[in-house]
Amino acid sequence: QKEVEQNSGPLSVPEGAIASLNCTYSDRGSQSFFWYRQYSGKSPELIMSIYSNGDKEDGRFTAQLNKASQYVSLLIRDSQPSDSATYLCAVNRDYKLSFGAGTTVTVRA
Amino acid sequence: DTGVSQDPRHKITKRGQNVTFRCDPISEHNRLYWYRQTLGQGPEFLTYFQNEAQLEKSRLLSDRFSAERPKGSFSTLEIQRTEQGDSAMYLCASSLSIGGPETQYFGPGTRLLVL
Repeated sequence: QKEVEQNSGPLSVPEGAIASLNCTYSDRGSQSFFWYRQYSGKSPELIMSIYSNGDKEDGRFTAQLNKASQYVSLLIRDSQPSDSATYLCAVNRDYKLSFGAGTTVTVRA
Repeated sequence: DTGVSQDPRHKITKRGQNVTFRCDPISEHNRLYWYRQTLGQGPEFLTYFQNEAQLEKSRLLSDRFSAERPKGSFSTLEIQRTEQGDSAMYLCASSLSIGGPETQYFGPGTRLLVL
């Protein structure tokens, strides 16, 4: 079992729609959780961090964490073509990040 | 720009050659990390430093790899006797550890191609 698993893509959504991304993790000792966005050929860019159960909203992005279910999600509202990228879920225990393989999102105009 | 910087951005080398990459973290950050990313995968942890001390090395980091952070500022990652399987993006990240959750910020990466 991989430490961090993400729903397989690619995910194609129309402009203005909601994109929903899911992530599960295996280590119950994980302490903090992140979503990074990665454009093709570029490095990961932090878009959201979440540390406690519940929802966290930042602009058009909402992260949800459920530690009992070992589940993290990211909603992108009002999707824009500039949101087309690979989204990486990352889980932190102590110091190092463990990443999922990423979900590629394409927003079609 | 006060973000993490890496040099070079691209490196093409022949199998068997040695290569060295440099990372300059965000100035006040005391932790520095190296990750490797291959196509279609998420980054994989290689090693990390707290100040100048290297505190952990992944099993992915064979004896051909060595990393240093001599004065607790910039870091270098050297790969000796490169192999084609070393072709990847090498990412450096830094964070500030003051207790509590930390956020790692990534540099632009060094893309290595071993021919």
